[in-house]
Amino acid sequence: EPEVTQTPSHQVTQMGQEVILRCVPISNHLYFYWYRQILGQKVEFLVSFYNNEISEKSEIFDDQFSVERPDGSNFTLKIRSTKLEDSAMYFCASSEATGRGTEAFFGQGTRLTVV
Amino acid sequence: AQSVTQPDIHITVSEGASLELRCNYSYGATPYLFWYVQSPGQGLQLLLKYFSGDTLVQGIKGFEAEFKRSQSSFNLRKPSVHWSDAAEYFCAVGTTGANNLFFGTGTRLTVIP
Repeated sequence: EPEVTQTPSHQVTQMGQEVILRCVPISNHLYFYWYRQILGQKVEFLVSFYNNEISEKSEIFDDQFSVERPDGSNFTLKIRSTKLEDSAMYFCASSEATGRGTEAFFGQGTRLTVV
Repeated sequence: AQSVTQPDIHITVSEGASLELRCNYSYGATPYLFWYVQSPGQGLQLLLKYFSGDTLVQGIKGFEAEFKRSQSSFNLRKPSVHWSDAAEYFCAVGTTGANNLFFGTGTRLTVIP
């Protein structure tokens, strides 16, 4: 069964460092998403991406965040200068479409710890 | 404003017992509703979804959920819980199936022998 894969599963980084979280969406999917879950809090939408552009983003997704599809298979989330409050589980997701009836498939998550 | 409330942070049930996980939502438009499950070390797996039509929806692993518009609820049920059902369960709402979903805080299910 096709699945969304994320690497690494756990990343520890020092405050102020740049970090890149990687995702391989399901191969025939066209829409890509990042969500995050701070420990003990809700899963929150960060950004959606289609046709090499951001299609929607939340208030959380500020200038320190960026997304990219560097090749035909990867989808990355970059955090430019990490802060302690960026520590969270980051989930990548993908879908075939984005309209009525569409289902998002999520990866297993990358746990980011900023120290 | 959109929101999802899962009032139960942690539920413990005996194997073989029935289960109901509660979910209440606040949403301005016609909601699309989902239940996801996350087992340790795994991603979020879709259990079931409601878009329209029959308000009782069947999902994978023997789960079902009932949409009650009058109560703004979408509770998840299973008649007989298995030890493998121990996991974290998330209710979510959105305008489409995948983009900008609003999640609840989750309910952790523990299953005891």
